[in-house]
Amino acid sequence: TQLLEQSPQFLSIQEGENLTVYCNSSSVFSSLQWYRQEPGEGPVLPVTVVTGGEVKKLKRLTFQFGDARKDSSLHITAAQTGDTGLYLCAGTRSGAGSYQLTFGKGTKLSVIP
Amino acid sequence: DTAVSQTPKYLVTQMGNDKSIKCEQNLGHDTMYWYKQDSKKFLKIMFSYNNKELIINETVPNRFSPKSPDKAHLNLHINSLELGDSAVYFCASSPYPGNGMNTEAFFGQGTRLTVV
Repeated sequence: TQLLEQSPQFLSIQEGENLTVYCNSSSVFSSLQWYRQEPGEGPVLPVTVVTGGEVKKLKRLTFQFGDARKDSSLHITAAQTGDTGLYLCAGTRSGAGSYQLTFGKGTKLSVIP
Repeated sequence: DTAVSQTPKYLVTQMGNDKSIKCEQNLGHDTMYWYKQDSKKFLKIMFSYNNKELIINETVPNRFSPKSPDKAHLNLHINSLELGDSAVYFCASSPYPGNGMNTEAFFGQGTRLTVV
């Protein structure tokens, strides 16, 4: 069972356009994190969304985590070719002496010049 | 200095061989992980160690055995390699969150394992 569903799976847009990718779950998470992965590299974290209902902005990126702590979105304004990559959402759960980071399957974004 | 480093970056080997992948982090983190990323880019956790102790062991064949000699190192040994083991294996580390705090994971560059 895939706990985190990301959509769309693939997205190809022109430079300068805006886009939103989604990460939905039937489970509650402590936080939702968004990572970007480039070919041949490991995932890198842009920002962590920690509180239900929270919106965080990082330059042209806006991250939102729903009140129910199940759904998150990533909005990119005026996309640039450098935004191309695989975007992975990851939910965190902690407690009972364990900590687990569960990943979605990713959205592959291509920004065309 | 690389925060999380894995070696080797590429590994090509024949079926049935035994191989090891090494991972070291210089961030002073308490928790380390091994993830497997398949050809469809799905990242799945395999193991999680906290201060050299195994915390999470997902459904992974027992041919995979992690070893943590100290909290800065988490190595992965694989016995009797199979074709289906071909994937990219990522090591990661994070501070132990404790008390429900949330924290980010730092990933290595990955080891691309190809079993032929």
